[in-house]
Amino acid sequence: QQQVKQSPQSLIVQKGGISIINCAYENTAFDYFPWYQQFPGKGPALLIAIRPDVSEKKEGRFTISFNKSAKQFSLHIMDSQPGDSATYFCAATKGNEKLTFGTGTRLTIIP
Amino acid sequence: EPEVTQTPSHQVTQMGQEVILRCVPISNHLYFYWYRQILGQKVEFLVSFYNNEISEKSEIFDDQFSVERPDGSNFTLKIRSTKLEDSAMYFCASFPRTGGAEAFFGQGTRLTVV
Repeated sequence: QQQVKQSPQSLIVQKGGISIINCAYENTAFDYFPWYQQFPGKGPALLIAIRPDVSEKKEGRFTISFNKSAKQFSLHIMDSQPGDSATYFCAATKGNEKLTFGTGTRLTIIP
Repeated sequence: EPEVTQTPSHQVTQMGQEVILRCVPISNHLYFYWYRQILGQKVEFLVSFYNNEISEKSEIFDDQFSVERPDGSNFTLKIRSTKLEDSAMYFCASFPRTGGAEAFFGQGTRLTVV
């Protein structure tokens, strides 16, 4: 029940396109859903996060869509750029408890 | 911008040896975590630490692991007798006082057990 499932495992998108990564969770007690971006050799860095009381959050080119009834949330990267090439992890948590991470998506933006 | 600092960045050790991984969390944070990431795999929770004691630990965090905050600033992870399968990136993370907000991760320590 603690799992967070993430897809796809890898994604190749042309520059300027939209990158979409999906996650699904099981534990309805989760109340905070962050996305982390990780470059090779670096730690995960918070990109954007959402709480279940809203269905969408947008920060620049990054948008989280949240579907509470389906227990799913997704990250959309608009106008994808080569600098967005990284591994993206969705995560979920309740309060100050541990983050439960998805399995990660390796995103590659090609010119 | 405040950051979580980890040392060393890379540690190579022989199987059976003890290692200590060090972390300096952000100064006003109260919740501290260790995670690990085996190469190419997902980030896994090891242990959480609050108010100078372990608040939760995973099944990975067995008797060979320990954590402490020896001087009120540093936060350490000790692996008593390393095994080959302990080779991974180890990340320290801290949460701010208010809690429920984003975790700040360090750059990680790459542990290689040979």
